[in-house]
Amino acid sequence: ILNVEQSPQSLHVQEGDSTNFTCSFPSSNFYALHWYRWETAKSPEALFVMTLNGDEKKKGRISATLNTKEGYSYLYIKGSQPEDSATYLCAFMRGGGNKLTFGTGTQLKVEL
Amino acid sequence: EAQVTQNPRYLITVTGKKLTVTCSQNMNHEYMSWYRQDPGLGLRQIYYSMNVEVTDKGDVPEGYKVSRKEKRNFPLILESPSPNQTSLYFCASSSHVNRITNYGYTFGSGTRLTVV
Repeated sequence: ILNVEQSPQSLHVQEGDSTNFTCSFPSSNFYALHWYRWETAKSPEALFVMTLNGDEKKKGRISATLNTKEGYSYLYIKGSQPEDSATYLCAFMRGGGNKLTFGTGTQLKVEL
Repeated sequence: EAQVTQNPRYLITVTGKKLTVTCSQNMNHEYMSWYRQDPGLGLRQIYYSMNVEVTDKGDVPEGYKVSRKEKRNFPLILESPSPNQTSLYFCASSSHVNRITNYGYTFGSGTRLTVV
């Protein structure tokens, strides 16, 4: 079973703060790295699918970077808002594989 | 609306009583998968299917069965449920899962199963 680790496990920030969290994954045989946003009582929703070393993706105030050589990805949220409160999941797919292995997530709470 | 539909949303059952959780997608996706979510463990894959009549084990397949007779449906079957299968279950689907054009998984709304 592949090891995909996310840190921190949870994070409390104030509205307007910028924040970031980390996903670590095996650096060998990389194929793709996914990020999902999971709000309480809902289902996970895809944010980004990243496949190339050095990839940077952006959606509104959320962006992500990818370093496949060292096996990590960062997710950034600029100017956090209460509606950003959710668990953020990353998931790793290795080359030749057909399945995503998920991390345990970073739970973000944005307070007013 | 493009979606993955799971039923039921909630289910309480007794040990040993066979049950099926249904999953259906309307996006013509080739790939479908079942995950279970347990506190502190993240989403763990139970089974997946690359296409009709093609299924394979994930990381935690014991005690589960699946079938993929049609492209849109991927039911999860628990032949003899046990309390350790109490969990939150998600079905997910995707197109071109192993191609660069993949846009990520679409998840169902989840099924919370309790086995007593």
